[in-house]
Amino acid sequence: DADVTQTPRNRITKTGKRIMLECSQTKGHDRMYWYRQDPGLGLRLIYYSFDVKDINKGEISDGYSVSRQAQAKFSLSLESAIPNQTALYFCATSGLGAYGYTFGSGTRLTVV
Amino acid sequence: AQSVAQPEDQVNVAEGNPLTVKCTYSVSGNPYLFWYVQYPNRGLQFLLKYITGDNLVKGSYGFEAEFNKSQTSFHLKKPSALVSDSALYFCAVRDIGHTGFQKLVFGTGTRLLVSP
Repeated sequence: DADVTQTPRNRITKTGKRIMLECSQTKGHDRMYWYRQDPGLGLRLIYYSFDVKDINKGEISDGYSVSRQAQAKFSLSLESAIPNQTALYFCATSGLGAYGYTFGSGTRLTVV
Repeated sequence: AQSVAQPEDQVNVAEGNPLTVKCTYSVSGNPYLFWYVQYPNRGLQFLLKYITGDNLVKGSYGFEAEFNKSQTSFHLKKPSALVSDSALYFCAVRDIGHTGFQKLVFGTGTRLLVSP
C-alpha cells in the first residue's frame, strides 16, 4: 500500500456541485498539506495542518475548505465547484522540519 | 518569503549527453533546497536536498545538484541523460512562516525531454 493515498484518482464534476477529495497516510507524520498543480504555475499551497487542531490557509485557499479528521486523514472540499478549479491536486505529508515531503499520486479534477 | 525560480519551461537533451536543469533561489538566511521529479500520472518523488555542508549534493537515479551561494543557484545535473529521465522537475525551498510552521515553496517546474 502507498504511504499517502488519495481518492478519487480522477473526478469529473459539474459547476456548483460540492466535492470532497480525501487523503490518508501511513507515515505517522503530523504535518499534512494540500497543493494544487496547474501548468506553468507549479504547485501552490491551498491548506496545511500541523495536527488535528491546527489548520492554516495557504496562498490560494479561497473556494476551498479542509477537515483533519485524524492524524492520518486530511480532506479537501470544494463547496461549490467552478471550472477554474480544474487542476491536479496533491496531498503531501512531512515530519518535523519539512525536510522533505511524501506525496500522494494526485487527484485529477475536472469541473465542467 | 522564500522563493525559487526555474527559468526554463522545457529542456531538451540527447540521450548520453549531460543535462542541467536550472533553479535560482531568493531567501533570507540559509536556504534549505530540494529537487523533486514527477513522472506522468504520478506524484512528486524526492530526488535530493541541500541543508548544509558540501556544495555538491548527490541524489537518486544518478542526479546531483550544485549549491552556489554567490549565484544563488541550485542547478540539477546528470552526467549522462537517459530517455527514462524525461519528466517534470521541480525545485523547492523551505519557508518558515510567521507562526514558525515550515513548508515547501515550489518553482513552476521544468519539463525535461531526452531524445533517443
